[in-house]
Amino acid sequence: AQSVAQPEDQVNVAEGNPLTVKCTYSVSGNPYLFWYVQYPNRGLQFLLKYITGDNLVKGSYGFEAEFNKSQTSFHLKKPSALVSDSALYFCACRPPGAGSYQLTFGKGTKLSVIP
Amino acid sequence: DAGVTQSPTHLIKTRGQQVTLRCSPKSGHDTVSWYQQALGQGPQFIFQYYEEEERQRGNFPDRFSGHQFPNYSSELNVNALLLGDSALYLCASSFDPGETQYFGPGTRLLVL
Repeated sequence: AQSVAQPEDQVNVAEGNPLTVKCTYSVSGNPYLFWYVQYPNRGLQFLLKYITGDNLVKGSYGFEAEFNKSQTSFHLKKPSALVSDSALYFCACRPPGAGSYQLTFGKGTKLSVIP
Repeated sequence: DAGVTQSPTHLIKTRGQQVTLRCSPKSGHDTVSWYQQALGQGPQFIFQYYEEEERQRGNFPDRFSGHQFPNYSSELNVNALLLGDSALYLCASSFDPGETQYFGPGTRLLVL
């Protein structure tokens, strides 16, 4: 069975500083990995995904994520945080290939960017 | 281009009642997945519909059922509601079962 862990419930970062939100996964084979963001009273908004290829994936709003197979990690990063980045961030995975398309999510990490 | 829409936005029911939630997928999408997000948790997969059939199901009891219509919209039905069914119910659509899922704003269900 697949699983996703987000070891930090909350991350605080000063505006303008780089941010990292951590994610580790457990999936057989080469997983498909995703990051979503959830603003208050809103649904999940897709940020980026990794399927194959370059380990550094670039996504929306200046976010990027680095796939590390040996550490089974897929950390979300941004070089310079904005106050508007404050939200709940979810990492998700699904097994590779056809047949199983359900996303398995982590519990989420609350990011607070302090002005 | 409208994104994924869900109705209603909020709903209050009592234990034992039945509820129907609705979802319209993003334009061009033919696959709909449903997730339950309890307070403080990540979303959990309920099931996925494609070509009007349930293609995959998560670990949810038979009280949870669904339907997909020819126009690709979908309904989630929950029978015999329990207090523990209180959650945000999210619908996600994709243009193929294996493609990126885009989420709607959700329906917040409160069971009293």
